[in-house]
Amino acid sequence: EPEVTQTPSHQVTQMGQEVILRCVPISNHLYFYWYRQILGQKVEFLVSFYNNEISEKSEIFDDQFSVERPDGSNFTLKIRSTKLEDSAMYFCASTRANTGELFFGEGSRLTVL
Amino acid sequence: QKEVEQNSGPLSVPEGAIASLNCTYSDRGSQSFFWYRQYSGKSPELIMFIYSNGDKEDGRFTAQLNKASQYVSLLIRDSQPSDSATYLCAVNDYKLSFGAGTTVTVRA
Repeated sequence: EPEVTQTPSHQVTQMGQEVILRCVPISNHLYFYWYRQILGQKVEFLVSFYNNEISEKSEIFDDQFSVERPDGSNFTLKIRSTKLEDSAMYFCASTRANTGELFFGEGSRLTVL
Repeated sequence: QKEVEQNSGPLSVPEGAIASLNCTYSDRGSQSFFWYRQYSGKSPELIMFIYSNGDKEDGRFTAQLNKASQYVSLLIRDSQPSDSATYLCAVNDYKLSFGAGTTVTVRA
């Protein structure tokens, strides 16, 4: 069964460093998303991406964040200068049509020290 | 910001019983509603969705929607220990907005 894959599964970084989280969505999916979940809190929307551009972003997704689909398969989330409060699990998700039936990856846990 | 509210729980039910989970949403214009399950340390996975008022059944799960009351619920019949997880209610408006989730524990 096709699945969304994310790397790395866990990354530890120093405050102020740049981090890139990578995702390979399901191959015939057209809509891509990044969500985050701070430990013990709810799953929060960061950004959606369709047709090679951002379709919507949340207030969390400020200038420190960017997304890219550098080739036909990868979808990346970059945090330019990490802060302590960026520590969270970051989930990539994809779907074929924008219906809310999302397929999530296993997540990348980011720890900022 | 569209709000989705759930009782955080924990909800503890004996094996074989019915677990009832509730969710309310703030935007009267919302059209589609989802229930996801999240095991501890894992990613959310879709259980079912509902678009129309009334009940929708899928195996041991029944989703109920009342748009007038802005209320969605999920019933889990014949609860099993493997149903122990956090259940996330979500509303779709071109992105999913999640509630905080209700943690369910099924006691063997």
